[in-house]
Amino acid sequence: ELTQDPTVSVALGQTVKITCQGDTVRIYYITWYQQKPGQAPVVVIYGKNNRPSGVPDRFSGSSSGNTASLTITGTQAEDEADYYCNSRDSSGNLVMFGGGTKLTVL
Amino acid sequence: QVQLQESGPGLVKPSQTLSLTCTVSGASIRSGSYYWTWIRQLPGKGLQWIGNIYYSEGSYYNPSLESRVTISVDTSKNQFSLKLNSVTAADTAVYFCAKEGYYYDSNELYYYYNFDVWGQGTPVTVSS
Repeated sequence: ELTQDPTVSVALGQTVKITCQGDTVRIYYITWYQQKPGQAPVVVIYGKNNRPSGVPDRFSGSSSGNTASLTITGTQAEDEADYYCNSRDSSGNLVMFGGGTKLTVL
Repeated sequence: QVQLQESGPGLVKPSQTLSLTCTVSGASIRSGSYYWTWIRQLPGKGLQWIGNIYYSEGSYYNPSLESRVTISVDTSKNQFSLKLNSVTAADTAVYFCAKEGYYYDSNELYYYYNFDVWGQGTPVTVSS
């Protein structure tokens, strides 16, 4: 199981950290997705701390123990969205998603 | 550039079978290292993994849905499909097909999974 805070808010231009807790964070690299209303999710962070082409460098990822974090530095209004973490279970066969974090930019 | 497109009925009656197809373009469904996947999102809720199929290995399913789900591949049409039996209103959702890759970072020497391509999603309502 991957656990995320349901809601997080941040002031425009400030830094926010969205977390994802679970035992398998110690085993697999977490992928982070951004989803805006009516759209499919898109990857913002994958692997150790990689961003797909087109994702702003204000997005970064890290991990410590059983907690992975997505950090947005200098949050913009367009970053308001739902964010999901994703990994495999301990067997490696099943896929898990965190419950999602709704980010509000104030 | 790989693209995925879901297709199928938007309305299914209770107790019937939900059937959706995902057409893959830009890649062969026989490609190694790809897990062809179905994911759904219930109204106002998060993402739920339904299951996947890896061409040379078979399928894995979410334990909560396993008794009702079948995912299969049609290599002649480069498509994969979802069948969900005995549906109820609780199966009303947006259904996404997605490609999960299993990749190797040769710089940092590690493997990782990644849903790097998604379909646009198709809404399915279960109602009489």
